[in-house]
Amino acid sequence: GDSVTQTEGQVALSEEDFLTIHCNYSASGYPTLFWYVQYPGEGPQLLFRASRDKEKGSSRGFEATYDKGTTSFHLRKASVQESDSAVYYCALSAPNNRIFFGDGTQLVVKP
Amino acid sequence: EAAVTQSPRSKVAVTGGKVTLSCHQTNNHDYMYWYRQDTGHGLRLIHYSYVADSTEKGDIPDGYKASRPSQENFSLILELASLSQTAVYFCASSFTSNSDYTFGSGTRLLVI
Repeated sequence: GDSVTQTEGQVALSEEDFLTIHCNYSASGYPTLFWYVQYPGEGPQLLFRASRDKEKGSSRGFEATYDKGTTSFHLRKASVQESDSAVYYCALSAPNNRIFFGDGTQLVVKP
Repeated sequence: EAAVTQSPRSKVAVTGGKVTLSCHQTNNHDYMYWYRQDTGHGLRLIHYSYVADSTEKGDIPDGYKASRPSQENFSLILELASLSQTAVYFCASSFTSNSDYTFGSGTRLLVI
């Protein structure tokens, strides 16, 4: 079945560090891939999505590239800020099917 | 502005009691969902609905019922609340099953 695996349960960084959160997926065909972000006390919200191989999604300095060859959609940011502290969810949806979420990665950025 | 509103924001319930969590959306979306969030488990789908007066089981439906009386409203019902149902519950809506989800702010439920 369709699934998403996020390798890191928690990532701790200092401000201006480079961020990578790994996301690998399992699905047939070309699913749509998403990154959602959840700030404390709020519900998850869409960060961005990508629907085709090699498509790059980006928002607020975060970016990820759809890679069908390695079935990955890793989240990256060149220089994190304390305000980026949140839980990040990778997700996928196959056509005519619901969204499947990964287990989430807690990002903690220290000033 | 289109939104998903959950009520209550938090609730304390006694074991064995009945709990109803409510969700209202103004997005004109057909699909609505209930998730629970526990530390270390991410978001787990309890029930969902794609049309009024019909609900479907998600991945962890045991101990929960759902009701969709109208396109805008979707409730989650715990007939006999248990300690293990202490969690944060999120409602979401979407236009189609695989389009972007809009989440509410969550309901924090504590069962004692």
